[in-house]
Amino acid sequence: AQSVTQLDSQVPVFEEAPVELRCNYSSSVSVYLFWYVQYPNQGLQLLLKYLSGSTLVKGINGFEAEFNKSQTSFHLRKPSVHISDTAEYFCAVSDYSGGGSNYKLTFGKGTLLTVNP
Amino acid sequence: NAGVTQTPKFQVLKTGQSMTLQCAQDMNHEYMSWYRQDPGMGLRLIHYSVGAGITDQGEVPNGYNVSRSTTEDFPLRLLSAAPSQTSVYFCASSFTENTEAFFGQGTRLTVV
Repeated sequence: AQSVTQLDSQVPVFEEAPVELRCNYSSSVSVYLFWYVQYPNQGLQLLLKYLSGSTLVKGINGFEAEFNKSQTSFHLRKPSVHISDTAEYFCAVSDYSGGGSNYKLTFGKGTLLTVNP
Repeated sequence: NAGVTQTPKFQVLKTGQSMTLQCAQDMNHEYMSWYRQDPGMGLRLIHYSVGAGITDQGEVPNGYNVSRSTTEDFPLRLLSAAPSQTSVYFCASSFTENTEAFFGQGTRLTVV
């Protein structure tokens, strides 16, 4: 069974500092990887995704993530954060072992990023 | 373009009552899912569907029923509400398993 571990439940940083939000996953089959962001009292929206190909994926709002198959990780990074990046970030994995009924999108527990002035 | 629409946005139930959370999408997506979000627990999958007439259980299905009679709608039924079902519920849809999942705005449910 697939699982997703977000190693930090909270990450406080100062504005314009770099940030890395860590995500590890376990799955026995090929996976698709996603990062979603949730602003207060809203639903989730996609930041970026890894399906195949280049292991460095760029997303919206200046975020990027690197897929590392040997370490089963998909860490999210941003070189310089803004106050408006304050939100909760979720890593998610979809493993598709063939046959539509096997599709499941599993989320980590989330990392609350707080950007302070 | 409405996307994924959930109703109601807020609901208070008494223990033992039943209700249906509505979810509709207008993007012709085959995949639809229901999640509950609790503090420190992330999003946990309740039920999902890969097309009309096909549903399956997720991680926390007990106490909930679903059906998928049309591509557009995927209602979630609480059979007999319990305080442990107090949560924020999100419906999501996607075109395939490797495309973006679109989320509704959520339903905040309190069971007293």
